[in-house]
Amino acid sequence: DIQMTQSPSSLSASVGERVTITCRASQSISIYLNWYQQKPGKAPKLLIYAASSLQSGVPSRFSGSGSGTDFTLTISSLQPEDFATYYCQQSYSALTFGPGTLVDIK
Amino acid sequence: QVQLVQSGAEVKKPGASVKVSCKASGYTFTGYYMHWVRQAPGQGLEWMGWINPSTGGTNYAQKFQGWVSMTRDTSISTAYMELSRLRSDDTAVYYCARGCSITSCYVGENWFDPWGQGALVTVSS
Repeated sequence: DIQMTQSPSSLSASVGERVTITCRASQSISIYLNWYQQKPGKAPKLLIYAASSLQSGVPSRFSGSGSGTDFTLTISSLQPEDFATYYCQQSYSALTFGPGTLVDIK
Repeated sequence: QVQLVQSGAEVKKPGASVKVSCKASGYTFTGYYMHWVRQAPGQGLEWMGWINPSTGGTNYAQKFQGWVSMTRDTSISTAYMELSRLRSDDTAVYYCARGCSITSCYVGENWFDPWGQGALVTVSS
C-alpha cells in the first residue's frame, strides 16, 4: 500500500495567519490527492480533490497544489471556523489517508 | 440535497457481528459507489472498501477481506456494512461516504463526498 505522511502533525496559529500543511506519498500518485477537514465529533468534509480542485462551496482561502509525491494544502488567512484536523488521502490505488494535522488556536 | 443518514450507536461483545446501515437521499443511489471508512477513538481514518450499489459488486481493503461484508437494498436506497468476529480494537466510528459516479469514474477519482454522520460501534465484554 502507498504510505502517506503529513507535516507538521500539529500547529498553532492565529486568526489571519497563512497556514501550510504538507503531505507526502511513498511513491508517485500523479495528482490523485484529496484533502479533508474534520472537526471534533463530526464527519470529514471534502475540501480539495485531484490535488488542486476546490470542492463546491468551500471558501477560496483554501487551496491545494502538488503532484507526484509532494503536496500542500494552504489556508491563506486562517478563520476561527478553520480550527480542525486536516487529512490528505491518496486515490491512486488502495485508498489510504495521511495521519492528520491538527490546527489549533495560538 | 445529497444526504447519507446512518444507523445509531451499537455496543457489541467480542466475537459478535455488527451491521451498520447508511440510507441515501437526494441522488440516484445506484449511480454512485459507496465507501466505508472507520476511525478509532483519537485516531486517523481507515478505508475499508466500497460497494457498487447498481451491481452489488464489492472491493474490500486487504486488511478486511474475509471479515467485512458490504451489501445494499436498492428498494430503500440503503447500503450496509457488516463486520464479524469483532475485537476490542474494532471500537470505532464507522462512516459511509459517497464516491464517484459509476458511469463516469476515472482512475484516481476516488474522493468521498458527502459522508454520513458516523455510527459508533463499541466492542466490550
